[in-house]
Amino acid sequence: GENVEQHPSTLSVQEGDSAVIKCTYSDSASNYFPWYKQELGKGPQLIIDIRSNVGEKKDQRIAVTLNKTAKHFSLHITETQPEDSAVYFCAASPHNNNDMRFGAGTRLTVKP
Amino acid sequence: DAGITQSPRHKVTETGTPVTLRCHQTENHRYMYWYRQDPGHGLRLIHYSYGVKDTDKGEVSDGYSVSRSKTEDFLLTLESATSSQTSVYFCAISAGGSETQYFGPGTRLLVL
Repeated sequence: GENVEQHPSTLSVQEGDSAVIKCTYSDSASNYFPWYKQELGKGPQLIIDIRSNVGEKKDQRIAVTLNKTAKHFSLHITETQPEDSAVYFCAASPHNNNDMRFGAGTRLTVKP
Repeated sequence: DAGITQSPRHKVTETGTPVTLRCHQTENHRYMYWYRQDPGHGLRLIHYSYGVKDTDKGEVSDGYSVSRSKTEDFLLTLESATSSQTSVYFCAISAGGSETQYFGPGTRLLVL
């Protein structure tokens, strides 16, 4: 099955700086890559996703890039704000979503 | 949380006792999933359902069973709880097998 590795496990940035979280996957059949944000005591919330027919997707301060050849994808958050502090999870899934695998998570802290 | 509720939200039980967790959705989505979340492991799929009475195993299904008698409800049962099943359990739903998954608020289970 798919194996997803996520780095770093913790990330601390100053407010206004950019944050980058990277994930690698093993199954070349994976073609759907969502990113989730989880705040303390809550369920994961989808923040952005990308499918393998595009290389980059942007939504305001958040962007995701995908390199299918190298089997890695990254989350970029620009102009970070304290409310961006949370745990972020990447995931990879083949065409059938029933085998979605998650990374172990990155705890992002944005210092005011 | 995309019209998803989980009950109970917190539960403490003893080893060897049966436990049932409930997921209820108001979105009329076909697919429902049960995940467990543990430190260092991200989210791991336990079981999923692709329709009423249609279920299948996920990555970590041993010790768990599920049932879906109505579109809106998906039950997860621990027949005889063990300490290794102490975890946070999340339900998720999606409209289709390749569609985005939306997560519920979670159930925190402690098995003593």
